[in-house]
Amino acid sequence: QQQVKQSPQSLIVQKGGISIINCAYENTAFDYFPWYQQFPGKGPALLIAIRPDVSEKKEGRFTISFNKSAKQFSLHIMDSQPGDSATYFCAARGGGADGLTFGKGTHLIIQP
Amino acid sequence: DAGVIQSPRHEVTEMGQEVTLRCKLISGHNSLFWYRQTMMRGLELLIYFNNNVPIDDSGMPEDRFSAKMPNASFSTLKIQPSEPRDSAVYFCASQPKIRATDTQYFGPGTRLTVL
Repeated sequence: QQQVKQSPQSLIVQKGGISIINCAYENTAFDYFPWYQQFPGKGPALLIAIRPDVSEKKEGRFTISFNKSAKQFSLHIMDSQPGDSATYFCAARGGGADGLTFGKGTHLIIQP
Repeated sequence: DAGVIQSPRHEVTEMGQEVTLRCKLISGHNSLFWYRQTMMRGLELLIYFNNNVPIDDSGMPEDRFSAKMPNASFSTLKIQPSEPRDSAVYFCASQPKIRATDTQYFGPGTRLTVL
């Protein structure tokens, strides 16, 4: 049972473009939704996170949009740069569980 | 400040051998999580501890896997005997407290290959 579904699996965006990654969750008890960024050979690192009481959170070029009724959230990377090329994971936590439930990841490539 | 430290970074072993992975938490953090990453299954939670006490080990795949936290800053994940399907990258993550919004800080991982 996959509780967090992530799409697309891979994404190629031109430099300066907008990268959009989508996630959907099933467990309505989830109450914390982080996005992690992972470079090859490294561990995942927190990029940005949101609670369901807000619909959007922005930090620099990174924005999370959250739709509680649809049980969906997305990551937008504005003005995408080659250095943003990495694997991105959405995750969720809550409902009495302290561990993170991760999506399968999106391999993002930003072409110069 | 040093981040989460894992050792070894790479481990190659033969089927049937015992494997021990090690993790040192960030100083002052009270919670530790072990995850496994594979291409097929992605990142999966194996077990986590709070204040040295195992809270949830429902993600541990089999009795061959065991984890301990002998003190507040150190944990081990042991596989005995190891099998080829255990090949994966194993991460530990450190968290200040068990609070829903606390950030989990991941280590660099141990890449395990079982031949």
